[in-house]
Amino acid sequence: SQTIHQWPATLVQPVGSPLSLECTVEGTSNPNLYWYRQAAGRGLQLLFYSVGIGQISSEVPQNLSASRPQDRQFILSSKKLLLSDSGFYLCAWSGTPGYGYTFGSGTRLTVV
Amino acid sequence: AQSVAQPEDQVNVAEGNPLTVKCTYSVSGNPYLFWYVQYPNRGLQFLLKYITGDNLVKGSYGFEAEFNKSQTSFHLKKPSALVSDSALYFCAVRDRGADGLTFGKGTHLIIQP
Repeated sequence: SQTIHQWPATLVQPVGSPLSLECTVEGTSNPNLYWYRQAAGRGLQLLFYSVGIGQISSEVPQNLSASRPQDRQFILSSKKLLLSDSGFYLCAWSGTPGYGYTFGSGTRLTVV
Repeated sequence: AQSVAQPEDQVNVAEGNPLTVKCTYSVSGNPYLFWYVQYPNRGLQFLLKYITGDNLVKGSYGFEAEFNKSQTSFHLKKPSALVSDSALYFCAVRDRGADGLTFGKGTHLIIQP
């Protein structure tokens, strides 16, 4: 069966420090991968999606970047965090269009 | 373009009463429709989906949803609410020609004992 792993679960980072969040999927190949941010327990903001290795689409210009170095690995990064980068970050994958998304457990990022 | 509207930020229901969380959508073709639930500090969990066939779909935890093509709606329902149903609920749509899902803004469901 397919599983998605996202870590760490919580992270507290100072302003100006770098960021790396990792997401990996098991049990499937060539998934579509997504990074979302959720502020204050409300709506989902799509940040990046990827349909294949090295293929990244950015939905919102910001202080973040994404990479997909392997088929089932999706990384969210920042060189210098801002206070406004705080939030709940969710990774998701999808395969067959009719089967929706499967989400990771999320990372709570607090920038101080 | 595809879009989803969840008109209520919050829905309050007494335990044991029926509940409805509203969702309307807009797509250019035939939709795939989904409901997800999110508990605090957790990822979204899949509840149910409509792909084709029977307009009434049943999902996890006793939830169901009815696809209404003429009203472009996909409301989430449950006959008898539990306190443990309190959570944030997201409706999502995917046009069959599109690459990804579009999510609504979410509705907080609060079940009062």
